[in-house]
Amino acid sequence: DGGITQSPKYLFRKEGQNVTLSCEQNLNHDAMYWYRQDPGQGLRLIYYSQIVNDFQKGDIAEGYSVSREKKESFPLTVTSAQKNPTAFYLCASSAAVRGSNSPLHFGNGTRLTVT
Amino acid sequence: AQSVTQPDIHITVSEGASLELRCNYSYGATPYLFWYVQSPGQGLQLLLKYFSGDTLVQGIKGFEAEFKRSQSSFNLRKPSVHWSDAAEYFCAVVPYSGAGSYQLTFGKGTKLSVIP
Repeated sequence: DGGITQSPKYLFRKEGQNVTLSCEQNLNHDAMYWYRQDPGQGLRLIYYSQIVNDFQKGDIAEGYSVSREKKESFPLTVTSAQKNPTAFYLCASSAAVRGSNSPLHFGNGTRLTVT
Repeated sequence: AQSVTQPDIHITVSEGASLELRCNYSYGATPYLFWYVQSPGQGLQLLLKYFSGDTLVQGIKGFEAEFKRSQSSFNLRKPSVHWSDAAEYFCAVVPYSGAGSYQLTFGKGTKLSVIP
């Protein structure tokens, strides 16, 4: 079955360390997204990518970085510059960035805890 | 400012009772509207979407939603709730038909608890 795989499910890091969250999709989708979810805050967009080798900042990109070297993969690095990195991170994809038939498909998330 | 509001943070219903979750938006044009559901520790699953046409849309798991332009609302309903419906529900809006999915704005969610 096609879908989005995020790994690991739980991740623990010490403050000051960079950490990379994995996101792989086999839906052949062009667009991929990273969201951050905090309790009671809904979802906030960190970065998105419309095509390979291109990505754009979302609403809360500071302290994060991404790459899109392959269509299937969109890893997110949480850097030591992110002041409050503990959160639930969700990766999503869509067939295209625009268009009425391109709803988001989500992975099952990675819960990052930084102490 | 453009926004999506889910007025109810937490709702508790008895199994078998009807359910309505509220969503209001503040956009000038007719937006694209979505409802997603999230089980604890999981990702989001699309329940239904509205782009145009019939204002009553049917989704998965027996859910439906009605778009009311005059009230800027897109409320989610289910006639008889099952215990497995306990989850968090998110309303989401793309501000206008030509906007990109990166412009999707989520409400803060409504957590549904179901009493057996």
